[in-house]
Amino acid sequence: AQSVTQLDSHVSVSEGTPVLLRCNYSSSYSPSLFWYVQHPNKGLQLLLKYTSAATLVKGINGFEAEFKKSETSFHLTKPSAHMSDAAEYFCVVSDLTGTASKLTFGTGTRLQVTL
Amino acid sequence: GAGVSQTPSNKVTEKGKYVELRCDPISGHTALYWYRQSLGQGPEFLIYFQGTGAADDSGLPNDRFFAVRPEGSVSTLKIQRTERGDSAVYLCASSLAGTSPYEQYFGPGTRLTVT
Repeated sequence: AQSVTQLDSHVSVSEGTPVLLRCNYSSSYSPSLFWYVQHPNKGLQLLLKYTSAATLVKGINGFEAEFKKSETSFHLTKPSAHMSDAAEYFCVVSDLTGTASKLTFGTGTRLQVTL
Repeated sequence: GAGVSQTPSNKVTEKGKYVELRCDPISGHTALYWYRQSLGQGPEFLIYFQGTGAADDSGLPNDRFFAVRPEGSVSTLKIQRTERGDSAVYLCASSLAGTSPYEQYFGPGTRLTVT
């Protein structure tokens, strides 16, 4: 069975500094990996996705993530945090590519951005 | 275009009562998913429909939970004899199955409170 572990439940950064949100995955198959963001009182929004193409994936709002099979990691980064980035971030794994599949979410990392 | 919509946005019910939660997917999306998000947790998969049929209902916690999608569009999640532990945000998502990598578009959720 697939799973993801988000290593930090809460991350605080200053505006303009880099963001690193860590995620490790476990999967019996070649995984599809995603990062979703959830702003307060809003729906989940897809930031980026990895599906066995390029290992460095670029997403929306300047976020990117690198798939490292040797480390079973899929960490999310952004060079410079903005106040609007404050939200809950979820690392997500889906085992199957080629058919629709259920998603398995991590427990989330709350990103706080301070002035 | 219109996204995934869910009604009601909030539902308060007494323990033991029956509730129905509705999801309207994005037009043309054949795959529909239900997830449950408890406070401080990531969403957990409940059930997935491909068309009218439930392709995977392995996440339904017990037989008090049931979901239908009779015409392959709107879906209803039904909970009988509600318990306080059923309190959570119930999320619906849809995707255009058949196109990789099956990005799931989430609705805003229904917050269920069982008193």
